[in-house]
Amino acid sequence: DTEVTQTPKHLVMGMTNKKSLKCEQHMGHRAMYWYKQKAKKPPELMFVYSYEKLSINESVPSRFSPECPNSSLLNLHLHALQPEDSALYLCASMSDRLNEKLFFGSGTQLSVL
Amino acid sequence: SQQGEEDPQALSIQEGENATMNCSYKTSINNLQWYRQNSGRGLVHLILIRSNEREKHSGRLRVTLDTSKKSSSLLITASRAADTASYFCATDVPWGGGGNKLTFGTGTQLKVEL
Repeated sequence: DTEVTQTPKHLVMGMTNKKSLKCEQHMGHRAMYWYKQKAKKPPELMFVYSYEKLSINESVPSRFSPECPNSSLLNLHLHALQPEDSALYLCASMSDRLNEKLFFGSGTQLSVL
Repeated sequence: SQQGEEDPQALSIQEGENATMNCSYKTSINNLQWYRQNSGRGLVHLILIRSNEREKHSGRLRVTLDTSKKSSSLLITASRAADTASYFCATDVPWGGGGNKLTFGTGTQLKVEL
C-alpha cells in the first residue's frame, strides 16, 4: 500500500463551524505533514509530525490545530475559519530522512463561507 | 520570499515536442526534487537529484543541477497530452520549526496540446 488517504475530498463550512480533516497512511512512515495550497501557488508547510513530535510553522493561525493519534493517522482540526482559509489542504508522509521523498494524498478542497 | 523560482510560469507546446522548465534557488541544498501536480490533486514525486550529482535521468525525464548557479532544469522529452500538469521544484532548507523542510518553487504550468 503506497497511498496516503485523505478525507473528505471536499468540505464546505461556515465560519462558526468546527470540522476535522483526516489523513491516513499504512506505509510505516514516521513523518507526516500538512500543507496548504492556494490556487496557482505552491504548497506551504503548516505542520510536521516526525516520530510523533510536532513542529509548527509559526505563521499558521491557532484556528488550525493538528493531532497525531498514532504514527499512521493525522488530523487537522478546524475552528472559526475565515474565507481566506479556503484552499486545498494536502497531507503528505515521508519514510525517513534518508529517503527524503514525500508521498502526497489527493487533498481536501476546503471552502469557508 | 520563495526559495525556488521557476520559469517559465506557463508553457504551451505541441505533443511530441520537448518541454524544459527551470528552477533557481537561494540557499545551499542537500538535494533538489521535482514534483508534478494535476489540477486540484496531490503532488507526485518525479525525481531527486543530490547536490553532488550534475545530471539524472528517469524515463523521459532529464534533470540537471548546477550548484554554482543555484539552478536546476527539468526536461521532458517527446511530450504527451497526459504530461499536462503543474511542475514544482522543491529543496530541503532549514526551518524555524526545527530541522529541515521541503520548500516548493513557484511552479510551471505545462500544457501539451494534441
